[in-house]
Amino acid sequence: AQKITQTQPGMFVQEKEAVTLDCTYDTSDQSYGLFWYKQPSSGEMIFLIYQGSYDEQNATEGRYSLNFQKARKSANLVISASQLGDSAMYFCAMRESLKAAGNKLTFGGGTRVLVKP
Amino acid sequence: EAGVTQFPSHSVIEKGQTVTLRCDPISGHDNLYWYRRVMGKEIKFLLHFVKESKQDESGMPNNRFLAERTGGTYSTLKVQPAELEDSGVYFCASSPGQMANTGELFFGEGSRLTVL
Repeated sequence: AQKITQTQPGMFVQEKEAVTLDCTYDTSDQSYGLFWYKQPSSGEMIFLIYQGSYDEQNATEGRYSLNFQKARKSANLVISASQLGDSAMYFCAMRESLKAAGNKLTFGGGTRVLVKP
Repeated sequence: EAGVTQFPSHSVIEKGQTVTLRCDPISGHDNLYWYRRVMGKEIKFLLHFVKESKQDESGMPNNRFLAERTGGTYSTLKVQPAELEDSGVYFCASSPGQMANTGELFFGEGSRLTVL
C-alpha cells in the first residue's frame, strides 16, 4: 500500500526567506508521480508542482522547486522568497502507477505554513 | 473559464438524515473524482468517473454512499443515512480526458459536512 508522510504539522517562516516542507513516501510501484498542492483558507486545492519518478531533473515552477531524492523516497517542496500569500496548508500526494488509468492520489496529512511579516 | 464548483459549501444535518452534494467539473473534463477529508485524517480517494461511468469506486466507505454522474456532466454524492463519522470535507476534482503529463487534478473548494 502506498503511504505519504509529512512530519511537520505546522511551521513559521519569515517573509522573503526560503522554507522546505518535508515529504517521504512509500510505494512498490516503479513508475509514479508526486504532487504538491496548496490549500489556502478558501479551501480550494491548488496544484503547485509535479515530479515523475523517471524524471531525472528536479521539477521547478517559479518559486517552487521539488527536491526529489528517489533513493531516500523523499520529495520535499522548497518555496523560495516566501510571501504572505504563501500562508496555507500544503499537501504532498502521490499517484499510483502511471500506467493505470485515472489519477487516484494518496495524500499526506499536510503541513500548515504561516508566513510572518 | 469556470473552475470546479461544489454545492453546498457547508451542510449541517442530523444523524440519520440524507444529504446530497453536487459537483460541477470544468467544462469538457471527462474525469471526475470525489475525495474526502475526515477530521484529523488524510484526504482519501472515494471514486473516479470517466464521463458517466464509474472507473474506480474502491474508496467508497460503505453502501450509505451513492455517487452518480448522469450524462457525464455534473456529479452528485448522496449520503443516506448520514452518520457522525461522515463529517468532514468532501472534495471534487476533475481532469481532461487526455491527461497532461502532470496528470494535474483541478479541485473545487470542497463541501463541508457536519453531522450532529
